Amino acid sequence: GQNIDQPTEMTATEGAIVQINCTYQTSGFNGLFWYQQHAGEAPTFLSYNVLDGLEEKGRFSSFLSRSKGYSYLLLKELQMKDSASYLCAASNTGFQKLVFGTGTRLLVSP
Amino acid sequence: DVKVTQSSRYLVKRTGEKVFLECVQDMDHENMFWYRQDPGLGLRLIYFSYDVKMKEKGDIPEGYSVSREKKERFSLILESASTNQTSMYLCASSPLPGVAASTDTQYFGPGTRLTVL
Repeated sequence: GQNIDQPTEMTATEGAIVQINCTYQTSGFNGLFWYQQHAGEAPTFLSYNVLDGLEEKGRFSSFLSRSKGYSYLLLKELQMKDSASYLCAASNTGFQKLVFGTGTRLLVSP
Repeated sequence: DVKVTQSSRYLVKRTGEKVFLECVQDMDHENMFWYRQDPGLGLRLIYFSYDVKMKEKGDIPEGYSVSREKKERFSLILESASTNQTSMYLCASSPLPGVAASTDTQYFGPGTRLTVL
């Protein structure tokens, strides 16, 4: 079977750091995507990890441990505009399909 | 920039009506996907297509069909709409797997919020 788990909701304060975790169990796992989705809008690509380790991209970083079936998205220096849902998705070999988690709704307060 | 467009942002239909949702992408992508997104359930794959006239069932194909007559266009059809098909429908496209894996992401359209009364 295929299963992706991530917390339903998180809250944080402007300027803080937040880590959104994702655990996965999928067959033929190839890599892990993170998407951001603002309310009423389409998901947009944030990051993709295929190798173990941390990938840093500005204020956002993403980590993958293939042996543990675990990933996280790290958001630094939080801004109000970071309030959104963050979707974790596992790709299988061939990248043809993605399996999505239910998303983590992040609320950033002043 | 990749652009994926969907024919309507909001749609209201009656139970039993035949509904067409259209999706067009302008990046010559081989793969196209239809998802529905519901609170607490996340994005679920309905159908996908990896070439013209080719289609494969996703996780929840019941009650839906698709058509891909041209590479840039992928249509989702609800043969007889039911209230449990009220949802947000998202179309996506992606290129075939390549060397630069990070570019093989799926690009999403703005979504169609369908209400079936």
